[in-house]
Amino acid sequence: SQQGEEDPQALSIQEGENATMNCSYKTSINNLQWYRQNSGRGLVHLILIRSNEREKHSGRLRVTLDTSKKSSSLLITASRAADTASYFCATEDDKIIFGKGTRLHILP
Amino acid sequence: KAGVTQTPRYLIKTRGQQVTLSCSPISGHRSVSWYQQTPGQGLQFLFEYFSETQRNKGNFPGRFSGRQFSNSRSEMNVSTLELGDSALYLCASSLVPATEIYTFGSGTRLTVV
Repeated sequence: SQQGEEDPQALSIQEGENATMNCSYKTSINNLQWYRQNSGRGLVHLILIRSNEREKHSGRLRVTLDTSKKSSSLLITASRAADTASYFCATEDDKIIFGKGTRLHILP
Repeated sequence: KAGVTQTPRYLIKTRGQQVTLSCSPISGHRSVSWYQQTPGQGLQFLFEYFSETQRNKGNFPGRFSGRQFSNSRSEMNVSTLELGDSALYLCASSLVPATEIYTFGSGTRLTVV
């Protein structure tokens, strides 16, 4: 079963704009992670936020977590062409479960 | 240090055949998880091994099996292949299960014809 669900499924923005992706999940979690996947490749870990944290930053990435709403968001600021990829949230439910992802396309 | 290595990178098989995929984790990582990725279903959890024991199994038929060796390398096997088994199979390793960051291999692209 899918634990996390990303929204939107696809997103196209102009280079330089900010991109926001959301993730909703169903059960309580210990942590939530975001991963990036370039076309046809393996996933790369971006950031992990623990259930007792509300916000975390890493470079141009900002992740928020609202455990009361069972949701998280990933913000990529000042987007670049290299940010074109699929982004997945992952939650731990005795195993790591991924959502179906958001396909982000950065337009030149 | 070397990353997670999956072999082969690409594979074409015929319906009814069986296939074995291999995953070598990062040195020192004892947990290996397998996922099937298809356009329609996203990443589906197959199974997870830790210290040679299957710790978790996803909702896949018994045709999908796996094992882990004493050096933490893992294999997954799919018997009696079906067209719907065509997918990207990804493995990920971590120091310990579930609570740690996963490092993924590049995957094995299986095409069943």
